[in-house]
Formats: sequence, C-alpha cells, structure tokens
Amino acid sequence: EAGVTQFPSHSVIEKGQTVTLRCDPISGHDNLYWYRRVMGKEIKFLLHFVKESKQDESGMPNNRFLAERTGGTYSTLKVQPAELEDSGVYFCASSQGGTVYEQYFGPGTRLTVT
Amino acid sequence: AQKITQTQPGMFVQEKEAVTLDCTYDTSDQSYGLFWYKQPSSGEMIFLIYQGSYDEQNATEGRYSLNFQKARKSANLVISASQLGDSAMYFCAMREGMAGGSYIPTFGRGTSLIVHP
Repeated sequence: EAGVTQFPSHSVIEKGQTVTLRCDPISGHDNLYWYRRVMGKEIKFLLHFVKESKQDESGMPNNRFLAERTGGTYSTLKVQPAELEDSGVYFCASSQGGTVYEQYFGPGTRLTVT
Repeated sequence: AQKITQTQPGMFVQEKEAVTLDCTYDTSDQSYGLFWYKQPSSGEMIFLIYQGSYDEQNATEGRYSLNFQKARKSANLVISASQLGDSAMYFCAMREGMAGGSYIPTFGRGTSLIVHP
C-alpha cells in the first residue's frame, strides 16, 4: 500500500512568488492534515480536512495560505505571495479514523523563500 | 507557555545501549494522549508509541517503552538495545480533550538521537 506522498520534496522561491504544495493521502483516508515545522521549532498544525470539507483551519497563519481538497482526494496548499517567514517543512498526514495516533505522515516539502 | 517540552536538543548513545529521551507536558485536561514519533533522515514521521492518560501501565512497543509519570507530567521515551537505524529526530506530542474534543496534537521541538557503532 502506498503511503502519503508529497510534491515537491523541495521548493526554493523568491519572496512574493506563489508556490503550491501537493499532498496525496493514503487511498481511502478521509482525514487529511497539514502541518508546518519552522527550523528548530515545534511542528505546528495548520488545518484538517474531512473529505473535501475543512474541519479545522485554526492553525492557518494568515490569508496568504489557501488549502483545498477538491473531491476529497489529494490536497493542495498554496502560499501567495510567499514571505521569508513561510520557510520551513510542510508535512501532510492522513488517517482513516479521527484519532491522531492513526495519522500517517508524508515525507514533507521543504520550502525555502529567499 | 510550551505544552510539550523536550529539553535535549541532541543525544548520543552507543550501539546496543539503552537511551532515554525526555518529554514533559503541560495540560489541565484529565483526558489526554501522549505520542512519540521518529523522523529519520528520509523525512517521514513514523508513529512509535502511544500512552493514554488513563492507562495504568506504561506503553511498550518492541524496543520502545514510554515511562509515564503522571504526577510529574513526564512521558519519557526509552529505547532499549539501540541500533544504528535508530539515529533520527524524535518528537513527543500530546493530544488533549480526547472526549469529543480536538484530535490535533501539539508537538515538542524534537530531540536528535545519534547512535554510535
């Protein structure tokens, strides 16, 4: 069974540009989560989808971040326009149930904004 | 205030020895869950072990055990018989409000473990 995949693995963009990160959850997992880890700091929750609906987006830092999950399959996280403080590793996780210890994480996308 | 504190940014251990990674937490909830994840150099986060706040016995999963001391609010991870493949970043996490509450965990900053041959 394929795990959670994320694309790209690494992205380097200039301040003001737009970047779109993609996450493909494990097939059949209704729950999809986005997290971010800024270098040396905690992993922070961004948002949670249940199928195509946003269940909790309390962790989204500001309106420059837009997440979508059309059709309840893969999800995209767009940052527009990117700022220097957006640099970090963006993780996606998916789960079938709602309990967190069943979350399976992807390898992350390392975003560098210069 | 941090909810999850991992005071050891880096740890070194000799292969085949045991190592303890520290984690303390802060919550006023009676019901919560504690987790440890491993992040190897490949980047993915691997779930290792879970401890519920009402579990009376310490959780164990193979070479991993969680030393749960509720009164001290600590949930240290013990890795026995360390292997070279255990070298990775380890994250402690907590989920509060299990009864109908949020399932979103709070993570610590992580501890980097290096196992020497």
